[in-house]
Amino acid sequence: DTGVSQDPRHKITKRGQNVTFRCDPISEHNRLYWYRQTLGQGPEFLTYFQNEAQLEKSRLLSDRFSAERPKGSFSTLEIQRTEQGDSAMYLCASILSGTRDQPQHFGDGTRLSIL
Amino acid sequence: QQQVKQSPQSLIVQKGGISIINCAYENTAFDYFPWYQQFPGKGPALLIAIRPDVSEKKEGRFTISFNKRAKQFSLHIMDSQPGDSATYFCAASGGSGGSNYKLTFGKGTLLTVNP
Repeated sequence: DTGVSQDPRHKITKRGQNVTFRCDPISEHNRLYWYRQTLGQGPEFLTYFQNEAQLEKSRLLSDRFSAERPKGSFSTLEIQRTEQGDSAMYLCASILSGTRDQPQHFGDGTRLSIL
Repeated sequence: QQQVKQSPQSLIVQKGGISIINCAYENTAFDYFPWYQQFPGKGPALLIAIRPDVSEKKEGRFTISFNKRAKQFSLHIMDSQPGDSATYFCAASGGSGGSNYKLTFGKGTLLTVNP
């Protein structure tokens, strides 16, 4: 179990640029979640995948955001035309569905700063 | 609509003391209540979790008390240590359909344990 890994750990970009983050879940986990955490707040759900299918999107996920999990393994989250309000920590978590009382395992996140 | 309310926002205790953090939820469909611990620059890590069919769960120095009727649950940290200084989040998940693993977090409690 190598854990959930996220890349990059930090991203600084200018407003209006596009950014892409990657998440590698625990290998046997079929569900992958994206959350956003702003300073002083708890993580907020953005979207989740079961295998390669994106099954739910939060209202927080504007049309500038897109997520993919093309082969049911790693996932990418892209933000187009970034805005100041996009500055946050983007967290990825994974879980094997159907396993009672198994927790979501979180990565250490990608911290996005918009200049 | 904040579905999980957490208090206090911050807490300072002396080494060896008891830390108590409280949460209340609204959605009666929730059926899994984890507590996560987060250190600066890291992702949340599961501390302890409970389901509503029990009123208390203890793991080492950490205890969750659960009151289903009042829709409240709390985390007790016994013999608090400086290494416990972190942000603690309560969370809840459950409900119908495939999104029943989606976590709804409280806003967090910053715990400081003084030596």
